Amino acid sequence: DVKVTQSSRYLVKRTGEKVFLECVQDMDHENMFWYRQDPGLGLRLIYFSYDVKMKEKGDIPEGYSVSREKKERFSLILESASTNQTSMYLCASNLRVYSNQPQHFGDGTRLSIL
Amino acid sequence: AQSVTQLDSHVSVSEGTPVLLRCNYSSSYSPSLFWYVQHPNKGLQLLLKYTSAATLVKGINGFEAEFKKSETSFHLTKPSAHMSDAAEYFCVVSDASNTGKLIFGQGTTLQVKP
Repeated sequence: DVKVTQSSRYLVKRTGEKVFLECVQDMDHENMFWYRQDPGLGLRLIYFSYDVKMKEKGDIPEGYSVSREKKERFSLILESASTNQTSMYLCASNLRVYSNQPQHFGDGTRLSIL
Repeated sequence: AQSVTQLDSHVSVSEGTPVLLRCNYSSSYSPSLFWYVQHPNKGLQLLLKYTSAATLVKGINGFEAEFKKSETSFHLTKPSAHMSDAAEYFCVVSDASNTGKLIFGQGTTLQVKP
């Protein structure tokens, strides 16, 4: 069965810290995505990656970076965490070849920045 | 450009009564369309998808949706609501870039009353 695993369900960090959110998929998908989800704003795409070491900015990349060193792993990095980055973060993956493929989601990481 | 509008931010039904969650889309080509469900503090789970085959699509847990091109709609229905259906529902359209990116509606919260 399809599996996207996010390393932490809940995370509390302090302002200014460097924060790493990890995501692993076991489906050999080319595409991986990071979203943040906030009440009233829906899901907003932060970054996505379509291959190892390849990345593209989404709608709200400011304050974030990503790393994809292996096909199965996609990391989201908050370089210097700020309180306005408190949110639910969702990772997803899908096949690149066909545009009609659904994305498969992890359970999310609820991040609080104090 | 593609867009998705979920016409109701909140829908309340009684257990055992029909469910209707409304979605309109805008697309410059023939898109793929999806409905996802999200239970509290969980990731998004795919309910069903439309990919230009049959216009009436059956999904999991008794849900179905009908693609109506003339109305640019993709409404989600279920004949009889169950308490476990209480969740947030997202209507989603594929991005025209053919990269596997998706465009999400703002979500509809379904409340099921006993």
